[in-house]
Amino acid sequence: QLQLQESGPGLVKPSETLSLSCTVSGGSISSNSYFCDWIRQPPGKGLEWIGSNYYSGDTYYNPSLKSRVTISADTSKKEVSLRLTSVTAADTAVYYCARHHTGWDWYFDLWGRGTLVTVSS
Amino acid sequence: SSEMTQDPALSVALGQTVRITCQGDNLRNYYASWYQQKPGQAPVLVIFGNNNRPSGIPDRFSGSNSGNTVSLTITGAQAEDEADYYCNSRDSGGDHWVFGGGTRLTVL
Repeated sequence: QLQLQESGPGLVKPSETLSLSCTVSGGSISSNSYFCDWIRQPPGKGLEWIGSNYYSGDTYYNPSLKSRVTISADTSKKEVSLRLTSVTAADTAVYYCARHHTGWDWYFDLWGRGTLVTVSS
Repeated sequence: SSEMTQDPALSVALGQTVRITCQGDNLRNYYASWYQQKPGQAPVLVIFGNNNRPSGIPDRFSGSNSGNTVSLTITGAQAEDEADYYCNSRDSGGDHWVFGGGTRLTVL
């Protein structure tokens, strides 16, 4: 059964770079039907879409984060990575990777369990 | 970018019906999906394509749309349906994705 697992440091200092990985097990993300997005949720708040790395290699980012975010995919390693630079306390959140199903409709049909990243000195 | 508006909180008596709505101009042009999130857990897809249920989701969950509004209806709400619910769709430009602010549902 396909599973997604986020990993990375749980604590990042202000102004530094947040780096997370999403590892796919039990299947592949190298498909015309799926790719992986990153989504985050600050404590006690709602969901915020961060960005997508399409199977074509094209990337799309939330305009509010675009200048600081990079999402890349290594299909051979079954891994999707997130980099967010110049972090502040406002970037403290649970970060999820989610499989984006494509077709006549696009939706997030599988989510990782999420990983909490705290930005603090 | 687009905004999608949800009621922050709703309540429903056990066994009754509740409708959760999501409004946004982008919804006139794009399908919406709905996600259920319980405390400490990742979101779970409950509706896609406005009104389609993934396998494993109880048939008491249904979706609909009209104009700039999509709705998630729970018919015969159960205690386990108490959760936060989020709508999601493309923004007006089509290349980005946006979530509604979420609705906290309490089952009384």
